[in-house]
Amino acid sequence: DTGVSQDPRHKITKRGQNVTFRCDPISEHNRLYWYRQTLGQGPEFLTYFQNEAQLEKSRLLSDRFSAERPKGSFSTLEIQRTEQGDSAMYLCASSLVGLQGDEQYFGPGTRLTVT
Amino acid sequence: SQQGEEDPQALSIQEGENATMNCSYKTSINNLQWYRQNSGRGLVHLILIRSNEREKHSGRLRVTLDTSKKSSSLLITASRAADTASYFCATDSYSGGGADGLTFGKGTHLIIQP
Repeated sequence: DTGVSQDPRHKITKRGQNVTFRCDPISEHNRLYWYRQTLGQGPEFLTYFQNEAQLEKSRLLSDRFSAERPKGSFSTLEIQRTEQGDSAMYLCASSLVGLQGDEQYFGPGTRLTVT
Repeated sequence: SQQGEEDPQALSIQEGENATMNCSYKTSINNLQWYRQNSGRGLVHLILIRSNEREKHSGRLRVTLDTSKKSSSLLITASRAADTASYFCATDSYSGGGADGLTFGKGTHLIIQP
């Protein structure tokens, strides 16, 4: 399967701990996105990379959140000093950017529970 | 903030019937996309319609876009039990020369009764 993969699929952590999630995009895709989804809501955009450059960050992305995409391949999303409000599904998507927008292909997500 | 708003929030129909979902949005867009999300699974891309297009078909799916009304509709014909899922519209808009990621609505939860 050459789709977007995310690891881990589930993470339970205690408040105040740091967590890191990984996303492996579709290999030929140059854009990688991170979204957060809470129950009953649609996904909310957090940040995206074009190749290794982080080009946009939502105001939802507080200073406790940091994302990297070294060498323009896989990406990591780290949350420091987790809070209960960080509990959500974290979705990664990748795309091959085109002239008039791009179809984004989503991974299965990492469900984070902060206790 | 979420730009798109799907209507209705929930829809229950009999298998074989057609299902129509609507989406309204607020700002100018580059394109509009529809996604499906099954319980416990990731988002699956269904169809993309560009701002200069008015209608698009893909299998049993028909999408319309009215940029003057800032609205779109998704029609699923001859529904099947496997179509039971949440459906989201997502808008792709550009500001300041960069992409802002997709802006999703809250979704329509579709239930197909056997």
